[in-house]
Amino acid sequence: AQSVTQPDIHITVSEGASLELRCNYSYGATPYLFWYVQSPGQGLQLLLKYFSGDTLVQGIKGFEAEFKRSQSSFNLRKPSVHWSDAAEYFCAVGASASGTYKYIFGTGTRLKVLA
Amino acid sequence: DAGVTQSPTHLIKTRGQQVTLRCSPKSGHDTVSWYQQALGQGPQFIFQYYEEEERQRGNFPDRFSGHQFPNYSSELNVNALLLGDSALYLCASTFYGGRETQYFGPGTRLLVL
Repeated sequence: AQSVTQPDIHITVSEGASLELRCNYSYGATPYLFWYVQSPGQGLQLLLKYFSGDTLVQGIKGFEAEFKRSQSSFNLRKPSVHWSDAAEYFCAVGASASGTYKYIFGTGTRLKVLA
Repeated sequence: DAGVTQSPTHLIKTRGQQVTLRCSPKSGHDTVSWYQQALGQGPQFIFQYYEEEERQRGNFPDRFSGHQFPNYSSELNVNALLLGDSALYLCASTFYGGRETQYFGPGTRLLVL
């Protein structure tokens, strides 16, 4: 079955500290992977995506993610967190059917940033 | 370039009523997907429309139905509302096929009392 697991429900880091959010997926074929961010009361904003090629993907706002096929993981990282990064982060896999894709999301990780 | 827009932003209904939510896709996009996001959960795929037909459907009952218009905009209809239908409903648009990214609207927050 296709699924996405985000093991950490909440993470708290100090401003300026590094960040890693974990994501594991289960998908039979080559996965298309995404990270989205959601601020309170808002929709989802795409941070980055992986389709193929270089396994280290750069995104917006200084975020990056690394695809590791052997570990079925796609962890999100940022070297120095800013207070404005406080939000909920969702990992998703694009599941193909009938020539198009639906997204399967994890349950999210809520990030709190301490001043 | 307008992004994905949704209306209304908030809605309050009572059990048993019916509701219609609306979505206009990002300019140039022809495919619309709907997702339900319950409080504290990730979005769950409801269905996807292309060329005015439902192309994929998630694990949602027939009370959930949709429509796509010739201008690619879409509606989500939910009949016989239950308390558990309270959620943020997100619309996403993209190009059909390929590996195009889905772009999400701000959502409609539905509260069922």
